[in-house]
Parts: sequence; structure tokens; C-alpha cells
Amino acid sequence: LAKTTQPISMDSYEGQEVNITCSHNNIATNDYITWYQQFPSQGPRFIIQGYKTKVTNEVASLFIPADRKSSTLSLPRVSLSDTAVYYCLVVLSGGYQKVTFGIGTKLQVIP
Amino acid sequence: GAVVSQHPSWVICKSGTSVKIECRSLDFQATTMFWYRQFPKQSLMLMATSNEGSKATYEQGVEKDKFLINHASLTLSTLTVTSAHPEDSSFYICSAYPGAAETQYFGPGTRLLVL
Repeated sequence: LAKTTQPISMDSYEGQEVNITCSHNNIATNDYITWYQQFPSQGPRFIIQGYKTKVTNEVASLFIPADRKSSTLSLPRVSLSDTAVYYCLVVLSGGYQKVTFGIGTKLQVIP
Repeated sequence: GAVVSQHPSWVICKSGTSVKIECRSLDFQATTMFWYRQFPKQSLMLMATSNEGSKATYEQGVEKDKFLINHASLTLSTLTVTSAHPEDSSFYICSAYPGAAETQYFGPGTRLLVL
């Protein structure tokens, strides 16, 4: 299982774009990068998943460079409700998806 | 779509009793379900992996006789904490994996407090 490294915490003002970078130097060819969001006392919620280049959905964008050794989750115009812990995971495609959660990034949005 | 439920959402029990937590995938079949435990201000820790109709695979350090897992169908897995003690108090989260290139989807969690 590839290990991931993220900043422990980040602060941002409301309305700003937030970029959270994750390092995964040991990512394997068949691994996907997946991001989850977790609020206190709730289960993680899937945000976005990608393999390479850029993926965008209604919530976020995920940027993955060609070497795939890192990825950046971009949250546009954050609001107070985006205050949460964000986890970057490397997931084997087609496998049973056993994953290891790192410490995650605690994002605090400030009014 | 891709909704996972857990029941109960919270439970308080006396030390020495057993507690069963249910995890259901409501709108898809899950080839694999996972059980995690999360202590305050910590990350999720994988406890075990279960596949329908077979024995669960436990992570190192997790007592299989204490945390009984039954994956009776493609939509239901149960975790039974046997002879619970205060140190078992935690937030238990399940996830369900539909298979193929999908991601796993998490339940809302169950808060267990053992007195």
C-alpha cells in the first residue's frame, strides 16, 4: 500500500480557493488517487478520484502531474461548511481496495 | 446512489455485554465490506476486511474473537463487540466496496460507549 503525506492542517478564509497537496511517491501503475472528506462524528464522504491529469466534478478538482507522485485537491470558493478533515488515499484499481488512512488534513475555514 | 447505512448510530452498554453493529449497502451489492475504528482526533484504523460468505481477514493486533464479523449477504455485514470494555469505546465505521473500478463508500458510523 502506497503511503501518503499531507499537511496536518490548513486555514483559509471563506470564498477563497483551497489547494491541498498529497505526496505518494510509491504509487503503483494500477493505483488511483482518491480523496475523502470527513466531518466530526461522521463517516468519510467520497469527494473525487483520478488516475492522471485533471479530474473535475461539481465539488472539487483533482490535479495529478505526469509522474503521479503527488496530487492536489482543489476546492473552489470554500465556505464554513467545508471545515473538515480531508484524506488522500491511494487505491488499487480492480482490487478489493484495502486502504490505509493517513492523518489527513484538517481544513479550517475562517469567516 | 451508493448509500451505506449503519445501525445503531450510537449505543451505550455496560462492561461485559456484547454489542452488534449492522452495516448495510442500500442500493448496491458489496463484494467486500470493511470495518474501521476511529478514536478521538485520530485517523481511521482498519480493523478487518470481510467478503460475503467467507471468514473476515483481521488486521494485526485486532482480536478476532472479540470483534466478530459476519458478512451474510452482499448487502449486510455485522460487527459484534463481545464482552465489551471501556477501552472498546470508539467510533466504528463500515464501508462497502461495489467492486470493479469503484471506490468504497462509508457508513455514517456508530458511536459506542462502554460504561
